[in-house]
Amino acid sequence: DVKVTQSSRYLVKRTGEKVFLECVQDMDHENMFWYRQDPGLGLRLIYFSYDVKMKEKGDIPEGYSVSREKKERFSLILESASTNQTSMYLCASRMRDRFSNQPQHFGDGTRLSIL
Amino acid sequence: QQQVKQSPQSLIVQKGGISIINCAYENTAFDYFPWYQQFPGKGPALLIAIRPDVSEKKEGRFTISFNKSAKQFSLHIMDSQPGDSATYFCPSRAASKLTFGTGTRLQVTL
Repeated sequence: DVKVTQSSRYLVKRTGEKVFLECVQDMDHENMFWYRQDPGLGLRLIYFSYDVKMKEKGDIPEGYSVSREKKERFSLILESASTNQTSMYLCASRMRDRFSNQPQHFGDGTRLSIL
Repeated sequence: QQQVKQSPQSLIVQKGGISIINCAYENTAFDYFPWYQQFPGKGPALLIAIRPDVSEKKEGRFTISFNKSAKQFSLHIMDSQPGDSATYFCPSRAASKLTFGTGTRLQVTL
């Protein structure tokens, strides 16, 4: 079974802090994704990565950056955390597939609160 | 960006009943229709998927039906059980990205 592990289930940080959310997958997947999930807004794509050292902006990249130095690890960085970044963050990975038919495998999320 | 409109936003069904969730899409070039299921406290997981050259796909109590002329596809959950209570998504695909939307929250009551 594919395992996508997010480093923390719950995280509380202060406004202005630099926050790192870590995600590790164990299936040698090329593609990795970061989403945030908010009530009434569903899942929204922040950033994704096709492969190591590659990254693409998703639908809501403002205030975030990412790092993919190793294939198994995809980090989401909040450069200067703000209260509107309080949310559930979900990481996913997927085998590379020309037609994107491969399923995305999600972690169980990190609930981040910015005070 | 391709758009998918999902309805209803929430659904309450009695145990043993049929749950029906609909998704309507705009672009006929869309060629892959997955459904994801998310339980509270968990990430979404692929439930079932269909391609447009197939009008129906059934896996256990879950059936996707696809109506190409109406540009609509539906998830039917037969004999709904309390364990089916979850949020269901029908993401759209564009440029290898999936757009998930708000989903349908299903509650199956006893």
